[in-house]
Amino acid sequence: NAGVTQTPKFRVLKTGQSMTLLCAQDMNHEYMYWYRQDPGMGLRLIHYSVGEGTTAKGEVPDGYNVSRLKKQNFLLGLESAAPSQTSVYFCASSYQRDRGSGANVLTFGAGSRLTVL
Amino acid sequence: LAKTTQPISMDSYEGQEVNITCSHNNIATNDYITWYQQFPSQGPRFIIQGYKTKVTNEVASLFIPADRKSSTLSLPRVSLSDTAVYYCLVGDQAVDSGNTPLVFGKGTRLSVIA
Repeated sequence: NAGVTQTPKFRVLKTGQSMTLLCAQDMNHEYMYWYRQDPGMGLRLIHYSVGEGTTAKGEVPDGYNVSRLKKQNFLLGLESAAPSQTSVYFCASSYQRDRGSGANVLTFGAGSRLTVL
Repeated sequence: LAKTTQPISMDSYEGQEVNITCSHNNIATNDYITWYQQFPSQGPRFIIQGYKTKVTNEVASLFIPADRKSSTLSLPRVSLSDTAVYYCLVGDQAVDSGNTPLVFGKGTRLSVIA
């Protein structure tokens, strides 16, 4: 199993350009998430999905869009990149536990480092 | 969601036991306590999860007092490779609970010194 795979690993954009980050998981997980991490900071949730065809906003959704057309893939899009979106982006996935049996355990990808000039 | 408070950083010498405490005064009945470890340039990885009393696995132990308002992650005999950021998360994240996914704070940066 590859787990959670993120592509690309590195990308440099100019302000105003658009791009899409791809996250793929092979664990048949229902939930998928996109986080961003800035230097010295914890992870902040951008968007998440509880299943194919559904998405929801997290803590910092502005400037990003997501799509979950297939269960195994979760795409993060930047329509018009800004320098403030320079960050490391992490995708994660988890299966949904029954209530009372424990909180969901996230499996993370290796990260995608994005620089916006 | 229960807010968590943990130390910003800690230092330890190799071979010592390290205890990182997390406060979560408003933990809810259905909430679990989960700890993650993050090495530089990597995504976080799950360490341990518990609800009450003590949980132990091959990596760490998690101590939770009866009132569940705090928890302590214990790393036995740390080595240089344990240098990482450790995150404490509290929640249940059940799909029918209405809760948003668990929130990561800034974590505790553990530095192990030779």
